[in-house]
Amino acid sequence: QQQVKQSPQSLIVQKGGIPIINCAYENTAFDYFPWYQQFPGKGPALLIAIRPDVSEKKEGRFTISFNKSAKQFSLHIMDSQPGDSATYFCAVSRAGSYQLTFGKGTKLSVIP
Amino acid sequence: DTAVSQTPKYLVTQMGNDKSIKCEQNLGHDTMYWYKQDSKKFLKIMFSYNNKELIINETVPNRFSPKSPDKAHLNLHINSLELGDSAVYFCASSPGFHTQYFGPGTRLTVL
Repeated sequence: QQQVKQSPQSLIVQKGGIPIINCAYENTAFDYFPWYQQFPGKGPALLIAIRPDVSEKKEGRFTISFNKSAKQFSLHIMDSQPGDSATYFCAVSRAGSYQLTFGKGTKLSVIP
Repeated sequence: DTAVSQTPKYLVTQMGNDKSIKCEQNLGHDTMYWYKQDSKKFLKIMFSYNNKELIINETVPNRFSPKSPDKAHLNLHINSLELGDSAVYFCASSPGFHTQYFGPGTRLTVL
């Protein structure tokens, strides 16, 4: 059973648009929700992360929205740029756990 | 000054061979990981070591054996390579729970 479901699988937006990537989870024991960004030929890198005690977190053009009751969290990229074209992964982790479980990834293409 | 490094970057080999991938981190982290990323980009945890002790051991064929000589190094040895082992293998490290820092990956191709 997939612990975190990510959608869409791929996304194409125009430069300046606001792509939104969604993740849903079932286990209420999860308490850490990061997003990772992976460029072709590179390893994933932490982009932004949120804990369940807040509903939103912003870092630059990247925002996580968190809905605890719906067990969903989303990544929004404001004023998207071609340089944001990458694969984005959500992940979940339990308190006291070293393990991250990743979603299946979303390939984002930002067209000039 | 690379944080998490892996060697080699590319590895092409024949079925049935044995190969190793090396990983080193200079971040002073206690925990290291091996992930497999398949052709569909799915990232799957394989193993994790904390201070040289195995703490995560997912369902992986026993042809795969991790070895941690010290907490800055975690190597992956693969015996009797199969076509299905072709993938990108990532090493990662973390200072504690949650945040993980990934290496650049090793692309393994089994012919």
